[in-house]
Amino acid sequence: GEDVEQSLFLSVREGDSSVINCTYTDSSSTYLYWYKQEPGAGLQLLTYIFSNMDMKQDQRLTVLLNKKDKHLSLRIADTQTGDSAIYFCAEEDSSYKLIFGSGTRLLVRP
Amino acid sequence: DGGITQSPKYLFRKEGQNVTLSCEQNLNHDAMYWYRQDPGQGLRLIYYSQIVNDFQKGDIAEGYSVSREKKESFPLTVTSAQKNPTAFYLCASTDTTGVKNYEQYFGPGTRLTVT
Repeated sequence: GEDVEQSLFLSVREGDSSVINCTYTDSSSTYLYWYKQEPGAGLQLLTYIFSNMDMKQDQRLTVLLNKKDKHLSLRIADTQTGDSAIYFCAEEDSSYKLIFGSGTRLLVRP
Repeated sequence: DGGITQSPKYLFRKEGQNVTLSCEQNLNHDAMYWYRQDPGQGLRLIYYSQIVNDFQKGDIAEGYSVSREKKESFPLTVTSAQKNPTAFYLCASTDTTGVKNYEQYFGPGTRLTVT
């Protein structure tokens, strides 16, 4: 079945770039997503990428997609303490459902 | 303001009692979803509904029940048959009628504690 995997934890210094990685298994996914979750809150959509794109940039966020390797990454430039949160990648399946990874906890050190 | 509301934010129950979590959306979305999140884990799909009066089991439906009598409402009942009900429950919705992506919009969550 479909599976989405992420590393569990990432720590960076404020001002550095953060790169969060994700691998997925369903090559037919049309869209892939990045969500952010702050403590005790719901998930907030950060960005998404269409599967025929290699890259998408949105202000400090850059998404890279390697469809051959089924690898997705999220780069956050100039990481701030307010970026500390859990980041989930997700792929669409064929029946309007999203398959989520287990989340990467990003800690930004001052 | 359009969005998804879940109430209450915190819920406490005694073991053996059924409890119903509320989820309401005014986004006119046709599909709605319930997820369970445990500490350090991702989201696991409990139930989803793509249209009024119809719903499907997700990956961990045992011990849960839902109804979808109205488009804007998708309540989740955690029954006494659910062995480990203490968790953070998230409701989401999406518009599946368009041709674009099916991004899901999430509510703020309900933290259920059963003792």
